[in-house]
Amino acid sequence: TQLLEQSPQFLSIQEGENLTVYCNSSSVFSSLQWYRQEPGEGPVLLVTVVTGGEVKKLKRLTFQFGDARKDSSLHITAAQPGDTGLYLCAGAGGSYIPTFGRGTSLIVHP
Amino acid sequence: DAGVIQSPRHEVTEMGQEVTLRCKPISGHNSLFWYRQTMMRGLELLIYFNNNVPIDDSGMPEDRFSAKMPNASFSTLKIQPSEPRDSAVYFCASSLQVGPQGSSGYTFGSGTRLTVV
Repeated sequence: TQLLEQSPQFLSIQEGENLTVYCNSSSVFSSLQWYRQEPGEGPVLLVTVVTGGEVKKLKRLTFQFGDARKDSSLHITAAQPGDTGLYLCAGAGGSYIPTFGRGTSLIVHP
Repeated sequence: DAGVIQSPRHEVTEMGQEVTLRCKPISGHNSLFWYRQTMMRGLELLIYFNNNVPIDDSGMPEDRFSAKMPNASFSTLKIQPSEPRDSAVYFCASSLQVGPQGSSGYTFGSGTRLTVV
């Protein structure tokens, strides 16, 4: 089982601030996904990255896959209250079935 | 598309009772997954099906848990008998494809919050 460590576990910031959350493992992944989960709902897929060093942007969100495909980061620019939620990373290895990290719980205060 | 549909949204039951959770995946998706989410353990994969066939049930915690997928549009997760430690949010997810061709990502349902008292 591939262990995914996400940090920080909790993050509370003011609207307009920038932030970065991390997803790390000792295992190599064939692909890695980021999800956002809001209270009372299921996780929603934000992005899939598959190539080492790949960078994808989704409006104010920037996702990067590490060169060695063992880690990833999510950077949010000028955070807004609507960004509040649990951010989960999920890495897939040889079985192609993703394993989820425990998530980073983000609160953005107005 | 209505997305992945789960029912019920909430279930409160007494210890020892049978609980059945239901899931309708997105039409055309070949893979279906059952997950359990708790504060302590996060999202845990219980079982997944590919083309209605169970592929990996190693995450099913005990024999009290069973899952079926009689056709491409319906799956159930059953707990019999239920115990308080089964209290969690249970998610169903479906995916267009999982394998060497790549993963198209999961679409999750809204979950069933199970409380066993």
